[in-house]
Amino acid sequence: AQSVSQHNHHVILSEAASLELGCNYSYGGTVNLFWYVQYPGQHLQLLLKYFSGDPLVKGIKGFEAEFIKSKFSFNLRKPSVQWSDTAEYFCAVTPFTGTASKLTFGTGTRLQVTL
Amino acid sequence: DTEVTQTPKHLVMGMTNKKSLKCEQHMGHRAMYWYKQKAKKPPELMFVYSYEKLSINESVPSRFSPECPNSSLLNLHLHALQPEDSALYLCASSALVGVSNQPQHFGDGTRLSIL
Repeated sequence: AQSVSQHNHHVILSEAASLELGCNYSYGGTVNLFWYVQYPGQHLQLLLKYFSGDPLVKGIKGFEAEFIKSKFSFNLRKPSVQWSDTAEYFCAVTPFTGTASKLTFGTGTRLQVTL
Repeated sequence: DTEVTQTPKHLVMGMTNKKSLKCEQHMGHRAMYWYKQKAKKPPELMFVYSYEKLSINESVPSRFSPECPNSSLLNLHLHALQPEDSALYLCASSALVGVSNQPQHFGDGTRLSIL
């Protein structure tokens, strides 16, 4: 079974600071990788996804993530955060299959951006 | 606004009650999911439906009974729940195309409280 680790549980940054959130997964086969964001009081939204190809993927709102297969990592980055980025961020993984399969989430990172 | 609609938004019930949670999507997705999310925790998968058939049951107690009456609707029937079942119940849907797991789209959830 797959598992996901997010080592940063709570991150506090000032506006305009750069962001990197760590995500490592464990699975013996090929995976699809996702980052989801949950703004306060809102539903989970997809930030970006990796299926195959270019390991550097760009998502919405200026976020990007890099898949490093040798490190089983899929870290999320943003060069300059804004106050509106305050939210909970979840890394998630699912086995690479052609059917609906289990999406496993990491424990989440709470990002707090101060003015 | 999310394209996955869940009703009710809040539900308070006693341990002997029978109630149902409803989920609806009109994106043509043929995979639908139920998740349970406790406070400050990531969502945990409960059930997966593919083409209206139950494909994954994550060893969920029988007091939770899912139903997929058609490709747009997903229900979760509740009976004899325990206080520890109080949580946010999330519904999600995804397309079934190609060989990659397409991203899941989440609803706002139903916040369930068991008295």
